[in-house]
Amino acid sequence: DAGITQSPRHKVTETGTPVTLRCHQTENHRYMYWYRQDPGHGLRLIHYSYGVKDTDKGEVSDGYSVSRSKTEDFLLTLESATSSQTSVYFCASTGGPNTEAFFGQGTRLTVV
Amino acid sequence: GENVEQHPSTLSVQEGDSAVIKCTYSDSASNYFPWYKQELGKRPQLIIDIRSNVGEKKDQRIAVTLNKTAKHFSLHITETQPEDSAVYFCAATMGGGKLIFGQGTELSVKP
Repeated sequence: DAGITQSPRHKVTETGTPVTLRCHQTENHRYMYWYRQDPGHGLRLIHYSYGVKDTDKGEVSDGYSVSRSKTEDFLLTLESATSSQTSVYFCASTGGPNTEAFFGQGTRLTVV
Repeated sequence: GENVEQHPSTLSVQEGDSAVIKCTYSDSASNYFPWYKQELGKRPQLIIDIRSNVGEKKDQRIAVTLNKTAKHFSLHITETQPEDSAVYFCAATMGGGKLIFGQGTELSVKP
């Protein structure tokens, strides 16, 4: 696997608290993505980045924000966690839009 | 909007049979179409991809076909084996490098 890691791998948090998930890649990839995976919905794009400080919204961006201050790190923040944000979150990275994207191991987030 | 539709959502075949999964996409400018396999509890991994300048690509028992006019692409798995059981996702790149996935197909290969 390409060098892409997520932290934490598991997290339980309370409704209303802020949560930040981290994605770190060592491939010098330009593009990075955050997805959530829920049964019956596949992988839905939350936000993506096409360069340092360059980000854009995906299909399900409400309630989420991102930041990318360095090539290797892409942070996803749930500003005020809700139970509907309980999910498995995957980040991915790729060197270009028409090349293979590599995924992190996933983060299982539970909001209680 | 920008989307990828994938069918069927579940597929059950006997070992040795073929399996076909179909996807359609909305953005006529899309030119990269990867397929990912996700085993239970694991991350998705690329199994094959196709670019818009090619109509078909094969890799051993796996093939992908692309019809740009109809905005359709399909995954074909021949001589299926129990280890092919997994969830398969199609995807397409959209404007700005956005990578959009279909809803997934859970393939079950019965011995």
